[in-house]
Amino acid sequence: QLQLVQSGAEVKKPGASVKVSCKASGFTFSSYYMHWVRQAPGQGLEWMGIINPSGDRTNFAQKFQGRVTMTRDTSTSTLYMELSSLRPEDTAVYYCARDNSAISGYQYWWFDPWGQGTLVTVSS
Amino acid sequence: SSELTQDPAVSVALGQTVRITCQGDSLRDSYASWYQQKPGQAPVLVMFGKNNRPSGIPDRFSGSSSGNTASLTITGAQAEDEADYYCNCRGNSGFHWMFGGGTKLTVL
Repeated sequence: QLQLVQSGAEVKKPGASVKVSCKASGFTFSSYYMHWVRQAPGQGLEWMGIINPSGDRTNFAQKFQGRVTMTRDTSTSTLYMELSSLRPEDTAVYYCARDNSAISGYQYWWFDPWGQGTLVTVSS
Repeated sequence: SSELTQDPAVSVALGQTVRITCQGDSLRDSYASWYQQKPGQAPVLVMFGKNNRPSGIPDRFSGSSSGNTASLTITGAQAEDEADYYCNCRGNSGFHWMFGGGTKLTVL
């Protein structure tokens, strides 16, 4: 059964950093690109970035560049996203999701499965 | 353009057909994928590629694309289809993706 299980909710003060984890099971983690997506309260989905299967290449949405780090540990099938210099507007649910483009020979791109989400609250 | 545009809200009578659209320049080069999200839940994939439904998604869901517009059609909408729907597409200028603003579907 394909599954992504994320770490629990976090409360952080402005200026701090947060690291969210996403543990994969049911598939060969080292074969897939992985994405992070966030959703502020009452708002839509926002793509944050992608990491390649080997973990040596990342690409981020411009608004997060310089503040976000994405890493992965193949030995534990775990993905990580760290966001620094947190501000109240970073309060959101953060999701990890598997990229399935390899299945289609890179003809199509789709996100499935998704993690259950991790609420990060930034408040003084 | 690096944006995908969706109508904020759409309503449909129970059992009728509704089309949810997504517009953007990137859709000329890449197919959209579609996600259903119910309150308090993670998004769920409902459509990808030319017109591909994941297993478990009812066949009343279908997808299409023309020019800069992708569409998700629900034929015979059910009460359980009431949700937010998001389109997603790879940007045509690089290794990045984007989501539409979402469409809130109400089934009357």
